Amino acid sequence: DVKVTQSSRYLVKRTGEKVFLECVQDMDHENMFWYRQDPGLGLRLIYFSYDVKMKEKGDIPEGYSVSREKKERFSLILESASTNQTSMYLCASSSDSHSNQPQHFGDGTRLSIL
Amino acid sequence: KNEVEQSPQNLTAQEGEFITINCSYSVGISALHWLQQHPGGGIVSLFMLSSGKKKHGRLIATINIQEKHSSLHITASHPRDSAVYICAASGGYQKVTFGTGTKLQVIP
Repeated sequence: DVKVTQSSRYLVKRTGEKVFLECVQDMDHENMFWYRQDPGLGLRLIYFSYDVKMKEKGDIPEGYSVSREKKERFSLILESASTNQTSMYLCASSSDSHSNQPQHFGDGTRLSIL
Repeated sequence: KNEVEQSPQNLTAQEGEFITINCSYSVGISALHWLQQHPGGGIVSLFMLSSGKKKHGRLIATINIQEKHSSLHITASHPRDSAVYICAASGGYQKVTFGTGTKLQVIP
C-alpha cells in the first residue's frame, strides 16, 4: 500500500514564524500535492510538483512556497505565518500525470497560528 | 458557484438504512472520484469512475455523464460508515476540483 507520511499531526506556531510542513511518500510517485482544507470550502490546491525541483502554483499559492529536492519528499513552507493560515493541511501523491490515477493522501497536519 | 456541488451537506441515518449522497459537476471531467475522510483527517479513495457503476462491498457509485451527476450509495449502513464523503472531479493532468463534502452520521 502507498504510504504518505506527514511529519506532524498537530502544530502550533506564532505569527511571523517560518513554518515547515514535511511530506514523504514511499511509492516513487512523480506527482505530489499540498492542499489546505477549511470548513465549507473543501480542499484547495496550494502547490503541486510533477518532478524533482519542478513546481507549479495551485489555486491559492500566496503566502506559501514549496521545495522538492528529492522525489519522495515535498515540503510546504509558510514564509511568515499569519493567523489566516490556520487550517488543516493535506499532502497527496499520485503516479501518472496523464491517466487520472487516484491521489493518495496523508493523515493531515492541523496547524494553528497564534 | 462551486464547480462541484454535493448534497446533502449533513446527513443523519439510523443503522441499517440505505443512504444516497449526490454530486453534480459543471466542469468537463475525465474521471469522478469519491473519497472518505474519517475524524482525525486522513482521506481514503473509495472509487474512481468515468462511466457506469462500481461496487465495493456495501458501497456503490454511479455516474451519468450526460447529466453530469454522480451518486454514492451505502447499503445496510453502520456506525463505522460515519465520516465525511467527498466528491472530486478530475479534468486531466491532475487538475482536481473537490466538493465541500457530506458529513454522514450513522446512529446505532
